Amino acid sequence: KAGVTQTPRYLIKTRGQQVTLSCSPISGHRSVSWYQQTPGQGLQFLFEYFSETQRNKGNFPGRFSGRQFSNSRSEMNVSTLELGDSALYLCASFETGGSDTQYFGPGTRLTVL
Amino acid sequence: GQNIDQPTEMTATEGAIVQINCTYQTSGFNGLFWYQQHAGEAPTFLSYNVLDGLEEKGRFSSFLSRSKGYSYLLLKELQMKDSASYLCAVNYGGSQGNLIFGKGTKLSVKP
Repeated sequence: KAGVTQTPRYLIKTRGQQVTLSCSPISGHRSVSWYQQTPGQGLQFLFEYFSETQRNKGNFPGRFSGRQFSNSRSEMNVSTLELGDSALYLCASFETGGSDTQYFGPGTRLTVL
Repeated sequence: GQNIDQPTEMTATEGAIVQINCTYQTSGFNGLFWYQQHAGEAPTFLSYNVLDGLEEKGRFSSFLSRSKGYSYLLLKELQMKDSASYLCAVNYGGSQGNLIFGKGTKLSVKP
């Protein structure tokens, strides 16, 4: 099976702009989680989707949002970008009811100037 | 909060054994994962523990004590390619999609 794919891999934006990141899970996986990884804070949970519904949300401001489509693909959006949003954004998919092991995509490296 | 604590850095010699510890708050515990992350790459799954005891997978083993809120990852016969960050992550109930990660242990393997 193909792994988790994320697009784009790299992105440079300026403060105040918005950005949309995309994630395609492993075929058959209906759950997708998003994480932000920074050198200072490590990996932090953003949100989780299952069957187009958000099941959990981490402690991030409302500028961070997401959605999931009927084919399980997911997008996350960050509006009004701040310098501190520069990070690696990782998507993970897993098979609910199976081993529940999360498999990560390669990430999108976002730089905010 | 649900702090996950692990050492920031460790150094070991090729061929040796290294143990990376992880402590966590026990309330609400629902399972613990170890991931390996090479610089610039995505985390890759190593092990999952939900019951007390040792899980062995080739050169890697992971141990869990639920009552003590303690886990370790044991790497045997270290190879240079094992130089990476090792992430401890805990699920605190609800769905499995919400993992709380430690900040990772950067392991350097020297010849």
